[in-house]
Amino acid sequence: GENVEQHPSTLSVQEGDSAVIKCTYSDSASNYFPWYKQELGKGPQLIIDIRSNVGEKKDQRIAVTLNKTAKHFSLHITETQPEDSAVYFCAASFINNAGNMLTFGGGTRLMVKP
Amino acid sequence: GAVVSQHPSRVICKSGTSVKIECRSLDFQATTMFWYRQFPKQSLMLMATSNEGSKATYEQGVEKDKFLINHASLTLSTLTVTSAHPEDSSFYICSARETTGVYGYTFGSGTRLTVV
Repeated sequence: GENVEQHPSTLSVQEGDSAVIKCTYSDSASNYFPWYKQELGKGPQLIIDIRSNVGEKKDQRIAVTLNKTAKHFSLHITETQPEDSAVYFCAASFINNAGNMLTFGGGTRLMVKP
Repeated sequence: GAVVSQHPSRVICKSGTSVKIECRSLDFQATTMFWYRQFPKQSLMLMATSNEGSKATYEQGVEKDKFLINHASLTLSTLTVTSAHPEDSSFYICSARETTGVYGYTFGSGTRLTVV
């Protein structure tokens, strides 16, 4: 089955700096890679996702890159703000018409210092 | 967008009793729903995959008789923790994938279960 590794487990940055979180996956058949933000006591919220037919996707201060050959993908947050502080999870899945599950990375606790 | 409603958000129950958690997709149909368990400072652990109209598929090590899952319609799945014990205390989260797959996976807000 799929295995997703996520690094770093904790990341502390100064407000305004950039933050990068990296994930690797094992199953070359995976074609969907979402990133979730989870605040304390809440469920994960999708912040951006990318499918295997593109290499990069950007949404304002958030971007995700995907290298299918190397089987890794990264989350980039620019101009970080204190409200970006949360736990971020990457995930991977093979999406088709069936209900395939997501495999999650271990999470990264991001702390943005004002 | 796709919205998943999960209730209750918090529940405290006595040992030996059962607790039901509901997960509803509000604006889309979900053939498949997923139930996760999350321990403090850890990632989400998949417990089971719930398919509408059929039996749930449980992950290895998850007791199907203890964690009863019912996916009776395309918008509702329930997780019942039976004969709860303190070690069942955890954060339970559901997720739904809308039928076409366009919107990916949407998560509920989670249920904090405390068994006393």
